[in-house]
Amino acid sequence: SQTIHQWPATLVQPVGSPLSLECTVEGTSNPNLYWYRQAAGRGLQLLFYSVGIGQISSEVPQNLSASRPQDRQFILSSKKLLLSDSGFYLCAWRTGTVAFFGQGTRLTVV
Amino acid sequence: GQSLEQPSEVTAVEGAIVQINCTYQTSGFYGLSWYQQHDGGAPTFLSYNALDGLEETGRFSSFLSRSDSYGYLLLQELQMKDSASYFCAVDTSGSARQLTFGSGTQLTVLP
Repeated sequence: SQTIHQWPATLVQPVGSPLSLECTVEGTSNPNLYWYRQAAGRGLQLLFYSVGIGQISSEVPQNLSASRPQDRQFILSSKKLLLSDSGFYLCAWRTGTVAFFGQGTRLTVV
Repeated sequence: GQSLEQPSEVTAVEGAIVQINCTYQTSGFYGLSWYQQHDGGAPTFLSYNALDGLEETGRFSSFLSRSDSYGYLLLQELQMKDSASYFCAVDTSGSARQLTFGSGTQLTVLP
């Protein structure tokens, strides 16, 4: 069966520090992968999606970037975090009409 | 771009029926999904409607009218564990099939 792993679960980082969040999928090949951000009490904002290795599409201009170095690995990064980068970050992969989400990373920038 | 509207909050009592509406504006529409999210957790898939009409899955049903750009999620025989946020999401075309989510409806089920 397919599973999606996302880590870390929580993260507290100072303003101006770098960020790296990792997501891996098991049990499938060439998945469509997505990064979403959710502000407290709000909906999910699509940040990036990828249809294959090295293929990244950005939905929202921001302080973040994404990379897909391997087929089942999707990384969200920032060189310098801003206070506004705080939120709940969710990785997802999609099969057919269903998206499966990782357990998320709660990022607090202080 | 895409936009979705759904109520921010709904409250109902245990055993009741509640309907959460969703209206959307989008291009390249494939279908409408519903996801449930408990506090602090990940969203989980509930239903997907590609065609007009009602889809039933246990206590939950979902409806779509493509001509009205409207759908709803119907929850019957409400239970306390149904207290959660419910998101509608439009499935649209692009270089990858994308899910664009609404802002969510917080459902509170009272005893």
